[in-house]
Amino acid sequence: KNEVEQSPQNLTAQEGEFITINCSYSVGISALHWLQQHPGGGIVSLFMLSSGKKKHGRLIATINIQEKHSSLHITASHPRDSAVYICAVRNTDKLIFGTGTRLQVFP
Amino acid sequence: EPEVTQTPSHQVTQMGQEVILRCVPISNHLYFYWYRQILGQKVEFLVSFYNNEISEKSEIFDDQFSVERPDGSNFTLKIRSTKLEDSAMYFCASSRAVVGYTFGSGTRLTVV
Repeated sequence: KNEVEQSPQNLTAQEGEFITINCSYSVGISALHWLQQHPGGGIVSLFMLSSGKKKHGRLIATINIQEKHSSLHITASHPRDSAVYICAVRNTDKLIFGTGTRLQVFP
Repeated sequence: EPEVTQTPSHQVTQMGQEVILRCVPISNHLYFYWYRQILGQKVEFLVSFYNNEISEKSEIFDDQFSVERPDGSNFTLKIRSTKLEDSAMYFCASSRAVVGYTFGSGTRLTVV
C-alpha cells in the first residue's frame, strides 16, 4: 500500500471549472508539499503546509492533520494549469511522493 | 529567486560506465537531497545529506551510489557502474530544515 495516495489519477476539465485534487497519507509527517511537474520534467513547489489553509492566487491548499488528508483546489482553471500535481509528505528529512494527478484543462 | 542548478540536463552513458551528476544547492540551505524518477513512475527518495554526511538513505542507494560535497558549493551524485535500470530523471533538492524545499530542474540519465 502506498504511503501517499492521490485521487484522481487523471482529471480533465473545461476552462473556468473549479478543480479539487485529494491526498491521503498514512505516515507521520512534519509537513505536506504540493508540487507541480510540467512535461519537461521540472518540479516546482506550490505549497508547504503543516496545518490549516494556504492561498496563492487561484490555488488553495488545505490540510486536516487528524484525518491525514489534504486537498489542492484550483479556481477558474486555465489551460496553462495543465500539468501533473504531486502531493509529497515530509517524513524525517525526506519527502515521500504520491503518484501524481495529471490535469488537462481544455479551452 | 534563488535556484538549485543541475548539470548536465541530459547525459547518455554506456552500461558499466561511471557517471557524476552535479548540483549547486541554494547557498544558505543546510540539507541536500537526491531523488530519482523512472519514466512513468513516482519520484523516489535516494539520499539526504547534512553536516557533511549522509543523514538518511533509501534501499535504492546501494554501494553503487555515493554523494559528495567536495568544495562547499557543489553536491554530486556518483553512480559507479551504471545499469540499464538506472535510467531516470535525477533531481537534486535543498532545504533549510523545515522550510524552503527547492528542486533543481533535473538531469535525465539514459543508460544504453
